[in-house]
Amino acid sequence: QSVLTQPPSASGAPGQRVTISCSGSTSNVGSNFVYWYQQLPATAPKLLLYRNNQRPSGVPDRFSGSKSGTSASLAISGLRSEDEADYYCAAWDDSLRGVIFGGGTKMTVL
Amino acid sequence: QVQLQQWGARLLKPSETLSLTCAVSGGSFSGYYWSWIRQSPGKGLEWIGEINHGGGTNYYPSLKSRVTISVDTSKNHFSLNLESVAAADTAIYYCARGYGSGWYDLWGQGALVTVSS
Repeated sequence: QSVLTQPPSASGAPGQRVTISCSGSTSNVGSNFVYWYQQLPATAPKLLLYRNNQRPSGVPDRFSGSKSGTSASLAISGLRSEDEADYYCAAWDDSLRGVIFGGGTKMTVL
Repeated sequence: QVQLQQWGARLLKPSETLSLTCAVSGGSFSGYYWSWIRQSPGKGLEWIGEINHGGGTNYYPSLKSRVTISVDTSKNHFSLNLESVAAADTAIYYCARGYGSGWYDLWGQGALVTVSS
């Protein structure tokens, strides 16, 4: 179902800054907000960013988001061991008239 | 503290109907989009569909012919029915509260549903 393309994996050392990309098209990322979710092992996903770059209460400002054209990015600065998780982007698709998720990116802290 | 609590049959045979219910406790039911999202073992997230506060529904096109999402506002819960299940429908099913367009701020604990003969 993944219409949004994410790299399957990403990694970084503690303290580093890492980015995860999310590539879509004009019918989804290009015309709608992007949302990011963090999924720790064996748990339900958790909202990380909404409306491209807004952090819900409780999400550290180490997490930031951006969007340009049909691509979006999640950046994690000051990487920590607890950031090891799967990260998913999501957006509404005007053509499908439904929500689509990226395939997910597994973040490893070296 | 608002919570979503899921329940339903966890083991199904091919061709049976999957039925799950998600109850909202500790908060308002109105004004939100209520959704179902699933995750096959070891795979990514797949949106199934949603029902909004007005009762309108949207379903993912590939599942639309088999899916029904309904809501019972008197009981503060919403339900998922997926007909004619097959092994490919084996997944963890999550209910979620949202604002439409992929924005989900509250998730249920998830329910592993296995389809096997």
